[in-house]
Amino acid sequence: DAGVTQSPTHLIKTRGQQVTLRCSPKSGHDTVSWYQQALGQGPQFIFQYYEEEERQRGNFPDRFSGHQFPNYSSELNVNALLLGDSALYLCASSNGGADGYTFGSGTRLTVV
Amino acid sequence: AQSVTQPDIHITVSEGASLELRCNYSYGATPYLFWYVQSPGQGLQLLLKYFSGDTLVQGIKGFEAEFKRSQSSFNLRKPSVHWSDAAEYFCAVGYTNAGKSTFGDGTTLTVKP
Repeated sequence: DAGVTQSPTHLIKTRGQQVTLRCSPKSGHDTVSWYQQALGQGPQFIFQYYEEEERQRGNFPDRFSGHQFPNYSSELNVNALLLGDSALYLCASSNGGADGYTFGSGTRLTVV
Repeated sequence: AQSVTQPDIHITVSEGASLELRCNYSYGATPYLFWYVQSPGQGLQLLLKYFSGDTLVQGIKGFEAEFKRSQSSFNLRKPSVHWSDAAEYFCAVGYTNAGKSTFGDGTTLTVKP
């Protein structure tokens, strides 16, 4: 049974560019959350998607946006990239049940 | 606002020795509490969680944690550490089982042979 799949695994972008990160949730999961983990820090909640709607949002600017598709997969888009956006971006899926989150291995974004 | 503090940035223990990683939280209600482990370049794996019931929670890989409401703590313990336990450990708190979670900045565990 495949877990949470994220693509790409690594990415290098230039300041001002836009990036799209992708996530396929674990089979049977319908809720996707995105976290940003800067070097040496814990993950910070960006937002959560359920039934193709943003259900919760953390303290991130509007440059960060997302989408969830009918098959429950999700995208994270970041516009006007800043050097400070360099981080590991983690996707986590759940089905609202007792098992909680399953995390993917992340996408390492480097902004130069 | 909710917050999580992991006072120890880095801990080194000898293989076979016991381990305790500290976690203190600030929260306005009865929280869900979690411990995760992260190996280099990997995502997070849930070790254990607590919401209610017995305040001593058993998890995977021989870990346990104890919830102490009076101290706002949820410390992680293991009686005998293995070299494969070397990793980064994160404590987290949330309103629900799989909603927004607030994480601490982690404790890096090094295991000496």
